[in-house]
Amino acid sequence: GQNIDQPTEMTATEGAIVQINCTYQTSGFNGLFWYQQHAGEAPTFLSYNVLDGLEEKGRFSSFLSRSKGYSYLLLKELQMKDSASYLCAVVDSNYQLIWGAGTKLIIKP
Amino acid sequence: GAVVSQHPSWVICKSGTSVKIECRSLDFQATTMFWYRQFPKQSLMLMATSNEGSKATYEQGVEKDKFLINHASLTLSTLTVTSAHPEDSSFYICSARDPGTSYNEQFFGPGTRLTVL
Repeated sequence: GQNIDQPTEMTATEGAIVQINCTYQTSGFNGLFWYQQHAGEAPTFLSYNVLDGLEEKGRFSSFLSRSKGYSYLLLKELQMKDSASYLCAVVDSNYQLIWGAGTKLIIKP
Repeated sequence: GAVVSQHPSWVICKSGTSVKIECRSLDFQATTMFWYRQFPKQSLMLMATSNEGSKATYEQGVEKDKFLINHASLTLSTLTVTSAHPEDSSFYICSARDPGTSYNEQFFGPGTRLTVL
């Protein structure tokens, strides 16, 4: 079966750095998305990785290792507004999005 | 980025009534739209894939006679929850695939919160 694993919840301090991991086992791979979702709102796009390596975009970076079935989202200089759920989603061989359950990130002052 | 709208943003209805939710891509033509359902503290669950001009493809366990999907144009898909019951109360989110992006990114609507009394 297809499976996406991410931690359920993480806590970090304002100004710090946090890494949210995602491991996956899917039928085929055509890229991995990270989305941010605030409570009661729809997901918003953060990043897309299809090749191995690190993609940096401002305070957020995303890493992919296809051989290990592993990705992480790195958030730097955390701000209170970063408190949200972070969803990892893999595009499978049928170009369908397979979603992880999301990681709830709590930022403390 | 591309914009997807949903209407209504929230709706409260009585058990047994039907509710229609609209999903529109505002600045691009979406040949494919997706309908998701999200229960509290859970991830998105794909209900169906809607292709313009053809029948929707439903995921296993989703009743196609209960959740009617119509994708009559390249910018509009509708989801009708027929004979809604309290267990249908959920957050319904649509997304549209923009073929103009290099990796067919999905853009999400703001979601519709349905409460069935």
